[in-house]
Amino acid sequence: AQKITQTQPGMFVQEKEAVTLDCTYDTSDPSYGLFWYKQPSSGEMIFLIYQGSYDQQNATEGRYSLNFQKARKSANLVISASQLGDSAMYFCAMRGAGRRALTFGSGTRLQVQP
Amino acid sequence: EPEVTQTPSHQVTQMGQEVILRCVPISNHLYFYWYRQILGQKVEFLVSFYNNEISEKSEIFDDQFSVERPDGSNFTLKIRSTKLEDSAMYFCASSEGQGLSPLHFGNGTRLTVT
Repeated sequence: AQKITQTQPGMFVQEKEAVTLDCTYDTSDPSYGLFWYKQPSSGEMIFLIYQGSYDQQNATEGRYSLNFQKARKSANLVISASQLGDSAMYFCAMRGAGRRALTFGSGTRLQVQP
Repeated sequence: EPEVTQTPSHQVTQMGQEVILRCVPISNHLYFYWYRQILGQKVEFLVSFYNNEISEKSEIFDDQFSVERPDGSNFTLKIRSTKLEDSAMYFCASSEGQGLSPLHFGNGTRLTVT
């Protein structure tokens, strides 16, 4: 079984500051992928960043980086230089290497304040 | 950039009616999925589809649901006799591979059952 836990239902950050959104996971799969998605108020699901469990380096994608700590089973999303347009719901998700289904966490609502 | 497209964006139907939600996955992707999100709740896996057959389904995906790939581009979700609790946002997604490949989601169809 796979489980994703996002313990922060809501977060506030000042514009231009960095913010970390927490994600911990549990899985019995030896190889797996971790994903972050952004869901603005308009409802679409936007893929942000991906980390493979065997990747040696933390993933980065523009202002997004993933702080992957395998021993702690955590995959936190770091957004640098927050912008007003970053205000959205953020979901952490994972799936095992041989699996189809993507398991989502409950999400964190981020609000960026001017 | 190629994207997953879903139609319609909104669908209102009466309880007991059949609905078909349509999706055009990204053209070189081989794996297709349906997810749903009841307002304010988690994103839930419904079904995955590969090589013209269902490869995995959740307990939500009961006999009232079916999926089809009627031609080389469309992927549909049919709900035979809608219930009030089927009201949700339905997302179609596709991926190049399984496991370590990210899913790319469409913008969703908001289904309202009255």
